[in-house]
Amino acid sequence: GAGVSQSPSNKVTEKGKDVELRCDPISGHTALYWYRQRLGQGLEFLIYFQGNSAPDKSGLPSDRFSAERTGESVSTLTIQRTQQEDSAVYLCASLPQGAAGELFFGEGSRLTVL
Amino acid sequence: KNEVEQSPQNLTAQEGEFITINCSYSVGISALHWLQQHPGGGIVSLFMLSSGKKKHGRLIATINIQEKHSSLHITASHPRDSAVYICAVKRSQGNLIFGKGTKLSVKP
Repeated sequence: GAGVSQSPSNKVTEKGKDVELRCDPISGHTALYWYRQRLGQGLEFLIYFQGNSAPDKSGLPSDRFSAERTGESVSTLTIQRTQQEDSAVYLCASLPQGAAGELFFGEGSRLTVL
Repeated sequence: KNEVEQSPQNLTAQEGEFITINCSYSVGISALHWLQQHPGGGIVSLFMLSSGKKKHGRLIATINIQEKHSSLHITASHPRDSAVYICAVKRSQGNLIFGKGTKLSVKP
């Protein structure tokens, strides 16, 4: 596709349910990042994938959060047993290999936990 | 201390004014990005810099690698420039670190 695609765009769930968010990066982009943005707040790093290297999971806030990426394609972010404080916009961004590429963000997935 | 510091945090300007937003960082980087986020909107890339200066329309971005500092300038500011401007650095080891953003409001 032409840009970074995220789905769903909106998700309302009940506390305790699991949710899965999807990010489809730009074809050929080896780096993929997940961030979280709470209302009125800045970007909070969650996880970073670079090609076939081990992901940098240092930003995941708890073991309820996990993410996978198959090769250099789609990534899924899974939140288990959702809590109200998980409510945020989850943003995905991708970069091509090397330092010279432009950073592209998806439109985000807005998660509301009731 | 944050690894990426932006200033000012908030900026109010009158239409037509020249605006400067600053970004300082303390880590080794391979690139620096300036991003824009309109209220309720997505994040859009404005510039990617690894050295020197870039210009796009009324926007100019500069970077001084030795001083670990970048500036984003807006000439002849307009109310539609009102947004949050975010500086992000790509570490030499790969991760992206974001500044907290500068909220710009341009009054007509």
